[in-house]
Amino acid sequence: GAGVSQSPSNKVTEKGKDVELRCDPISGHTALYWYRQSLGQGLEFLIYFQGNSAPDKSGLPSDRFSAERTGGSVSTLTIQRTQQEDSAVYLCASRRGGPGAGSEEFFGPGTRLTVL
Amino acid sequence: AQRVTQPEKLLSVFKGAPVELKCNYSYSGSPELFWYVQYSRQRLQLLLRHISRESIKGFTADLNKGETSFHLKKPFAQEEDSAMYYCALRPSGGAQKLVFGQGTRLTINP
Repeated sequence: GAGVSQSPSNKVTEKGKDVELRCDPISGHTALYWYRQSLGQGLEFLIYFQGNSAPDKSGLPSDRFSAERTGGSVSTLTIQRTQQEDSAVYLCASRRGGPGAGSEEFFGPGTRLTVL
Repeated sequence: AQRVTQPEKLLSVFKGAPVELKCNYSYSGSPELFWYVQYSRQRLQLLLRHISRESIKGFTADLNKGETSFHLKKPFAQEEDSAMYYCALRPSGGAQKLVFGQGTRLTINP
């Protein structure tokens, strides 16, 4: 079946512009995550959605970053007034239900963001 | 605070040699530990998790709570094992995020 999809695959923008990144999780997965993969920095947690619960926004690096998840499915990550340090690969992941022995995150292909 | 440390950014071994990718973690509770792998031009995928105690593609990892380590091992490396490997921790309790190490790029030389 279809995995997690993300769009666009690549985004080049100018410093100061706003960008929106989209994630389509696997159908039926209630948990959705955003991570950022920066050169030499590993993967950094940004935000977590679980069903109708309030999202865990503890990883968002600044108030320029926000995310929504509409109807418990598609999610958009918005970065306002982009800065060069925002350049990274943004990964989305989804998981069926809560954590447990059979629960696994499935990652999307990522969106490579370049801020000039 | 939770932290995962992978001391080697790069690791290169010859085909057929044993390989060990090191992972140490810092966490006061009982975490779930994982190894993820990213092959060239592919997406990040789960390799194995400590609670499953299984061997995947010949790889095993044992959780050592005394040494707070979760090293990944394979007795005989193959060229197709060349990839980026990430160790990750999920804290127990309410937090559901994964905390990743910085990754180790493994290269298997023919």
